[in-house]
Amino acid sequence: GENVEQHPSTLSVQEGDSAVIKCTYSDSASNYFPWYKQELGKGPQLIIDIRSNVGEKKDQRIAVTLNKTAKHFSLHITETQPEDSAVYFCAASKDTGRRALTFGSGTRLQVQP
Amino acid sequence: GAVVSQHPSRVICKSGTSVKIECRSLDFQATTMFWYRQFPKQSLMLMATSNEGSKATYEQGVEKDKFLINHASLTLSTLTVTSAHPEDSSFYICSVPTGRGPVADTQYFGPGTRLTVL
Repeated sequence: GENVEQHPSTLSVQEGDSAVIKCTYSDSASNYFPWYKQELGKGPQLIIDIRSNVGEKKDQRIAVTLNKTAKHFSLHITETQPEDSAVYFCAASKDTGRRALTFGSGTRLQVQP
Repeated sequence: GAVVSQHPSRVICKSGTSVKIECRSLDFQATTMFWYRQFPKQSLMLMATSNEGSKATYEQGVEKDKFLINHASLTLSTLTVTSAHPEDSSFYICSVPTGRGPVADTQYFGPGTRLTVL
């Protein structure tokens, strides 16, 4: 089955700096890659996603890049703010099979004011 | 996206009792819902796929007789933890996939249910 690895496990940045979180996946058939933000005690919130027919997608301060050949994708957050502090999860799924998400291990992002 | 609710948000029960958790899709008719479990400081692990009108599909290692799933309608799936034990204490989260046709689904998650078994 699919295996998703995520790095780093923790990331501390100064307010205003950029943050980058990277994930790799193992199943070449995976074609959908969402990113979720999870605050303490809450369910994951979808922040951005990308499909395999696209190399990059941007939504205001958040962007995701995908390299299908290398089987890795990254989340980029620019101009970080204290409210960006949370745990971020990458995930992967595909059109066939059970179509559930396989999650990475998570990155705890702390933005220092 | 879909709006997903869960009830209760928190539950504390005694060992050996059963607990029912509801997952509702408020604005999307879902023939499929997913149930995940998350232990403290860990990632989300898929437990089972809830299918409207048919039996749930469980992931390897998840006991189907312990975690009963009923997809009663296109907007409601329930997870019942039977004979709960302290090791079942966890954060249970459901998700609703909103894709149509042959494309991978965008999934929206509920707020989660914190189960504590004493």
